[in-house]
Amino acid sequence: DAGITQSPRHKVTETGTPVTLRCHQTENHRYMYWYRQDPGHGLRLIHYSYGVKDTDKGEVSDGYSVSRSKTEDFLLTLESATSSQTSVYFCAISESKGGTDTQYFGPGTRLTVL
Amino acid sequence: GEDVEQSLFLSVREGDSSVINCTYTDSSSTYLYWYKQEPGAGLQLLTYIFSNMDMKQDQRLTVLLNKKDKHLSLRIADTQTGDSAIYFCAKDTGRRALTFGSGTRLQVQP
Repeated sequence: DAGITQSPRHKVTETGTPVTLRCHQTENHRYMYWYRQDPGHGLRLIHYSYGVKDTDKGEVSDGYSVSRSKTEDFLLTLESATSSQTSVYFCAISESKGGTDTQYFGPGTRLTVL
Repeated sequence: GEDVEQSLFLSVREGDSSVINCTYTDSSSTYLYWYKQEPGAGLQLLTYIFSNMDMKQDQRLTVLLNKKDKHLSLRIADTQTGDSAIYFCAKDTGRRALTFGSGTRLQVQP
């Protein structure tokens, strides 16, 4: 499972509140990712990181920020949650294996914004 | 931008073969992946293929790639009830990130 954990696994919050999701990995991978999963859309990339303090935006980054102060932790913050951010959030790492950079996923965080 | 498309649903009987299809728009050389997601779980990597290959087989799984038509398929032989899940096709964007299809829900009837 590439040693990826996510916390919390479930969260219910109210519109306008800040929310931080945590992704933790134990295997010193350089690349980490945050995706959201919504019905009919598959997974869409929010932000990714290619090292400590190095991050970049994905296709659905509006309303989200990230931070990576340590190799093992990648945080996703919703500064002011909205109902459209109700989703399942997956963290992933990238591992070089067999000539390709393969992504492995955490178990997900189900976020409900009321 | 890149686009990856899949049909939404497939139903098969136990023991039959399942074929899940995917099409993509960007023809650059890259890797294509198949992931499986069981209810309430994360995504599990099943297999992958590089775009200079036509076929890859891994036990009950066979991946076929038609580069001309930009069509990728995943064949599951002797489908079992434990294969019921959502299957995602994904393509490497070149930034070490993936673009996913919307997923195909496979239902296996006993």
